[in-house]
Amino acid sequence: DAGVIQSPRHEVTEMGQEVTLRCKPISGHDYLFWYRQTMMRGLELLIYFNNNVPIDDSGMPEDRFSAKMPNASFSTLKIQPSEPRDSAVYFCASSTRQEGVTEAFFGQGTRLTVV
Amino acid sequence: GQSLEQPSEVTAVEGAIVQINCTYQTSGFYGLSWYQQHDGGAPTFLSYNGLDGLEETGRFSSFLSRSDSYGYLLLQELQMKDSASYFCAETSKAAGNKLTFGGGTRVLVKP
Repeated sequence: DAGVIQSPRHEVTEMGQEVTLRCKPISGHDYLFWYRQTMMRGLELLIYFNNNVPIDDSGMPEDRFSAKMPNASFSTLKIQPSEPRDSAVYFCASSTRQEGVTEAFFGQGTRLTVV
Repeated sequence: GQSLEQPSEVTAVEGAIVQINCTYQTSGFYGLSWYQQHDGGAPTFLSYNGLDGLEETGRFSSFLSRSDSYGYLLLQELQMKDSASYFCAETSKAAGNKLTFGGGTRVLVKP
């Protein structure tokens, strides 16, 4: 398996524009996590899905952020409208439940810069 | 704030041993795992403790004490390539296997 695949790797956009980040989890994994990483706030869990269903979105900063998982092999994280404070590295990770989530596999991340 | 606490930075020399402590407070705790992240890279899994005790994986070991709500990662025979950030992460049953990370410990290995 190619691992968790995220696209794009880098995104530079202007404030106010819509940004869509994409993630393909590892085949067979039933958990998918979206994290945001900044120097100030570390690795924050934004939202996670189990079997394509959102389980906990309490980490989503505000209504400008939305995430979907239309099928087991694809998820998106959308920011509309984007703001400079959204600049961060966004990671997607997937896992399979084996007596609890023990090992999560991360994609290479999307480095987002909002100017 | 963070429900997992770990030191922000540790510096050591090659060949030394480093212990990174992690305390947690979340109810519904299921297990504690450790991840390594090099600058510019993605977090990668190192180890997991679901039960009390020590888990050993080569030069790295991890320990958990549920009664103390505490765990640690032990890095032995430090090498330059071990310079990275190390995160503890907890799985919580409270919301169906939620995986939450600590703030990370930056380890700097000097010659």
